[in-house]
Amino acid sequence: QVQLQESGPGLLKASDTLSLTCSVSGGSVRSSSYYWTWIRQSPGKGLEWIGEIYYSGSTNYNPSLQGRVTMSVDTSKNHFTLKLTAVTAADTALYFCARVAMDEMLYIDYWGQGTPVTVSS
Amino acid sequence: DIQLTQSPSFLSASVGDSVAITCRASQAVRGFLAWYQHKPGKAPELLIYAASILRSGVPSRFSGLRSGTQFTLTINNLQPEDFATYYCLQLNEYPYTFGQGTKLQIK
Repeated sequence: QVQLQESGPGLLKASDTLSLTCSVSGGSVRSSSYYWTWIRQSPGKGLEWIGEIYYSGSTNYNPSLQGRVTMSVDTSKNHFTLKLTAVTAADTALYFCARVAMDEMLYIDYWGQGTPVTVSS
Repeated sequence: DIQLTQSPSFLSASVGDSVAITCRASQAVRGFLAWYQHKPGKAPELLIYAASILRSGVPSRFSGLRSGTQFTLTINNLQPEDFATYYCLQLNEYPYTFGQGTKLQIK
């Protein structure tokens, strides 16, 4: 059973850089069959896709966050990370990591439980 | 961005009822649409992918249907564990987008 677990600081100040890690167990981030993705949920905007990364390091980001977001993958530690710079109160949300399966169709098949992040001014 | 209009936002029903949740896409997403169930404090769970394919292990009372750009999740014979929030997700093009969610509550 694949499991994903988010970790990182839950409280930041405005202008800080948010850094989260998603640890994967029961599967490998090195697999060519999946992308690894970050999603957030805030009361004001619902669920928002942040972006995704492939084991090769190839990324796709949401244009709404382009310029502030960077994702990386560490195959030796079997985890992937999210960095979001210059955070504001609008970045306060529950952050999820998840796996995107690529077979004949695309779908997110496993999610983490989410980690709350609060940005204070 | 593709907008997914999900309705209703709230739904009250009783155990044993059948309910339908609709997700309408602002443009074609082909079959790249999935449905998720989310309970507070837990990881969201995949129910349906490719619009109508039931994920292995998901009860058969869940079903998905596509008609053009309108997608429907139907839950028959509601069980107590089905009361949760449901979301649709399109993966046809970037950025991926979600419906606003439907909270299914016990009447």
